[in-house]
Parts: sequence; C-alpha cells; structure tokens
Amino acid sequence: QVQLVESGGGVVQPGSSLSLACVASGFNFSIYGIHWVRQAPRKGPEWVSYIRSDGNNKYYSDSVKGRFSISRDNAKDTLSLQMNSLRAEDTAVYYCAREPLAVTKRGTFDIWGRGTLVIVSS
Amino acid sequence: EIVMTQSPVPLSVSPGERATLSCRASQSISRNLAWYQQKPGQAPRLIMYGVSARVAGMPARFSGSGSGTEFTLTISSLQSEDLAVYFCQQYNKWPYTFGQGTKLEI
Repeated sequence: QVQLVESGGGVVQPGSSLSLACVASGFNFSIYGIHWVRQAPRKGPEWVSYIRSDGNNKYYSDSVKGRFSISRDNAKDTLSLQMNSLRAEDTAVYYCAREPLAVTKRGTFDIWGRGTLVIVSS
Repeated sequence: EIVMTQSPVPLSVSPGERATLSCRASQSISRNLAWYQQKPGQAPRLIMYGVSARVAGMPARFSGSGSGTEFTLTISSLQSEDLAVYFCQQYNKWPYTFGQGTKLEI
C-alpha cells in the first residue's frame, strides 16, 4: 500500500523548535520529489517546502525561508522538516505529499499523509 | 505569488443536482490547474489535473474546464459522497498556491 506517515507534531511555545518526520512505504521513495504542505484550521492548504528526489534541490515558501529546513534519507525512506523560531502563524496540520513522476502531473500532489498537528502557543 | 480565489463559499446543493464550482487565478496559469477533494478529518485528495484530466477512479460526473485565469469544476449529478471541501491549486509558477476552498453542503 502506497502511503506516507507523518509524526513529530505537538504543542510548543513561540520561538521554539520542532522536527517533523515522514516515512514512506509502498513505493520507490528515492525517485520522487516530496513536499511539505500545511493547512491552518479552516483554511486552504499552503505549500511549505520541496526537496528533489536526490536531495540536491530544496525550495521554501517565503513565510518559512530561513527558519525551516527540509532533508531526506533515501536509505530510510524518510523525509524531515526541521522547524526553528516557530511562530503562532505556523500553527497547522503539516502534510508530506508526493509529486507524481508523470510530466502531465508535475506540480500536483498525488499521495498525501494523514498529517501531524503543530500548535504554537504560549 | 499567484492568488487563487474560489467561489461560492459555501455552495448549498441537493443530491442529484448539478454543482458548479469556480476558481480564478490572479494571473494566467495556462492549464496548470488541479482540483482536490477533502472530507472531514482527511487529507486533500487529488481528483483532477491539467484542468480537465480526472485521476484514475474518479467518476465521470466530475468534469473540469477553463484556461488562463478562469476555471470551473462541475459535478453533474451530486451524490452524497461528494459532500466535501474542494480546493483548486495552480502549479504554473512557484510557489504553488491553493484557493481557500468551496464547501459543498446540503
């Protein structure tokens, strides 16, 4: 079964750090680009970060650039998101999502995890 | 960044009726538009890409149209299992952006 499973969410204070993980199974993780997408309560999804299949290209939204860092370990089928200097506006469900290989679908997200909730509050 | 605006929010429909959901981009995105369906407590699910291509397994009652800045998702005869929030997403330019969603409700 193709799936992504996130973990690491929790309640943290503003200014603190948190590390999220996403474990893949059921497909060849090492050949897919993977994204982090977050969704604040009652809002639309917001793209956060992307890492290419080989880990050599990484992109971030302006809202997290300089604070978040994405990485992957293809030997362990694992994606990570290190989040520093957290703010209240980072409160959201964080999903990892796979980008399809098919050229016609590049830029979409065809497999999503169930998400992990991050709450930043004092 | 490209702003995606959806309407109406929400959309009240009855089973068997046609539902028409709109999505507007703040600048041209060609045909690089996808739709997602999200049910309560679940992650979004990709249902359509390239404006009008349904993903495998999506019923034919779902159809998409449009180009440039104006797009539409149509559900020809609404079924109870279609009640959800629908998001459009542009992937023409980084950063990829989503609309705020249209909630289909009875």
